[in-house]
Order: sequence, then C-alpha cells, then structure tokens
Amino acid sequence: GENVEQHPSTLSVQEGDSAVIKCTYSDSASNYFPWYKQELGKRPQLIIDIRSNVGEKKDQRIAVTLNKTAKHFSLHITETQPEDSAVYFCAASTSGYSTLTFGKGTMLLVSP
Amino acid sequence: GAGVSQSPSNKVTEKGKDVELRCDPISGHTALYWYRQSLGQGLEFLIYFQGNSAPDKSGLPSDRFSAERTGGSVSTLTIQRTQQEDSAVYLCASSRQGVTDTQYFGPGTRLTVL
Repeated sequence: GENVEQHPSTLSVQEGDSAVIKCTYSDSASNYFPWYKQELGKRPQLIIDIRSNVGEKKDQRIAVTLNKTAKHFSLHITETQPEDSAVYFCAASTSGYSTLTFGKGTMLLVSP
Repeated sequence: GAGVSQSPSNKVTEKGKDVELRCDPISGHTALYWYRQSLGQGLEFLIYFQGNSAPDKSGLPSDRFSAERTGGSVSTLTIQRTQQEDSAVYLCASSRQGVTDTQYFGPGTRLTVL
C-alpha cells in the first residue's frame, strides 16, 4: 500500500519567515495530494490540494509543489504569522482506492 | 450549512466495556471515513463507506472494532471490550463522493479507557 513520509516533524520559524514542509510517497499511481492544518484541539481542515496533472498550485501565502518523477510534494508558507502555528499533515491517495494515507504531521511554531 | 458532527465529544469508560461513537456526515456526502488519532500522532485510517458498496474495513486494528452506516447517512463505530490502548481521538470525515474529494472532518470523540 501507499506510504507517506513527512519532514520535518517540528519546525520553528520567526514571524515573517518562510516555512517548507516536505513529503514523499511510494505509490506512483497516487494522483491526489491534500494538505490539512490542525490547530490545537481542533479538527483537521483542508488548506490546499494538488492533483497529479499540475506541478504547482498557489493560494495567497501558501503553495504546494509536486514532483511526480521524484514522488515528492511540498507545502510552502510565506510571510508566516503566529496564527499559522499548527500541525500540518500531508496525504496521498489514488482514484479508485479508498484510503487517504496521511503523513505523521509537522508541528509548525511561528514565534512573534 | 451544517458540517460533520460527532457524539459524544468525550467518553470515559472502564476497560472491558463496549462503547459506541456516532457520526453524522454532511448531507448528500456519499463517502464516510473513520480515523483514529493518538496523542501527538498522525491520522490512522480505520474504515471507509461509499454509498451502498461494501465498506473497506482494512484499517480496523482488531475484531473488537466494527462500524455500520445506516441508510447511507449516520455511522456508528463500536469498540467492544475496550482496552487502554484504544484511548485516542476518533475522527469521522465525509466527502462528496470518493477519496479524491475534499474530506470534511468532525470535531472528534475523545475516548479514554481507564
């Protein structure tokens, strides 16, 4: 089955800096890659996703890049703010399969 | 509109007792998922329901775990003879159709087994 590795497990940045979280996946048939943000004590919420027919997607301060050849995708957050502090999960799935496989999460701490 | 809801929000039980956790998905969503999240850990897939198809139970950790979805809507996750290692937050999610659609999560049920 699919295996998703996520790095780093924790990331501390200063407000205004950029943050990058990287994930690799094992199943070359995977074609959907969402990113979820989970604030402390809250439910995970989708922040951005990308499908395998594009290499990059941007939404204001966040962007995701996908390299299908290398089987890795990354989340980029620019101009970080304290409210960006949360745990971020990457995931991968394949059409026709039922499982969305999650990475183990990255705890991002943005210091003012 | 109404999001995914779960009940109870917290459940404390004694080892060996059975528990039932409930999930109300977003109306019209045909896909429903259960996940388990242990403290500081990622999301562990448990079971997936899609329409009237047979559920994918491949993530259930043991035969003490079971789930059903009645009428294609509400789902119940049952844990029999609970063990301390079952303590976790149980999250339910629903999506419009399948796994490549956005999953909307409920607030979770925090289960504590004493």
